[in-house]
Amino acid sequence: GAGVSQSPSNKVTEKGKDVELRCDPISGHTALYWYRQSLGQGLEFLIYFQGNSAPDKSGLPSDRFSAERTGGSVSTLTIQRTQQEDSAVYLCASSLQTYGYTFGSGTRLTVV
Amino acid sequence: GENVEQHPSTLSVQEGDSAVIKCTYSDSASNYFPWYKQELGKRPQLIIDIRSNVGEKKDQRIAVTLNKTAKHFSLHITETQPEDSAVYFCAASSYQKVTFGIGTKLQVIP
Repeated sequence: GAGVSQSPSNKVTEKGKDVELRCDPISGHTALYWYRQSLGQGLEFLIYFQGNSAPDKSGLPSDRFSAERTGGSVSTLTIQRTQQEDSAVYLCASSLQTYGYTFGSGTRLTVV
Repeated sequence: GENVEQHPSTLSVQEGDSAVIKCTYSDSASNYFPWYKQELGKRPQLIIDIRSNVGEKKDQRIAVTLNKTAKHFSLHITETQPEDSAVYFCAASSYQKVTFGIGTKLQVIP
């Protein structure tokens, strides 16, 4: 597609349940990033994929968070045993080489 | 790793005045500095960027300056308009990993 697509746009889940968030990057973009944005806060880096290289997972806040990128395209961010503090907007971005990051519209996750 | 500091955290200006947002970075290997504008409830949008081989770049009312020696870069918005009200994020990219500043909430008062 023309832009970065994320699904679902909104997700409400019960505490303790697992959730999966999906990101479809712009076709051909080799780099893919996940960020988390809590209400009124900045962009917190979570994980970064670049081509076939090992992902940079340095921003994942706990071992309940994991992400994968299949075939160098679609990425899934999984949060296990969700907690209320996981509530945030999860943003995905992709880029070709170093420049021109484009963000998706995000998934608003609410843990109740 | 890279550390990006951004200030001020909030900024109010009268319509027509200029606004300046400043950022510093720590990693001398950073070579790409984008600026994003995020309107309420929307995704961040790239508004301007600068690469390390350039000291200044301008696009209409928006300009960005870069001082590699001092490791700081700034966003300048002239003749501000109410639609410029948003949160602005600076970022620094080193080896393709992007680190964002905390954001500046700009309010343009009509």
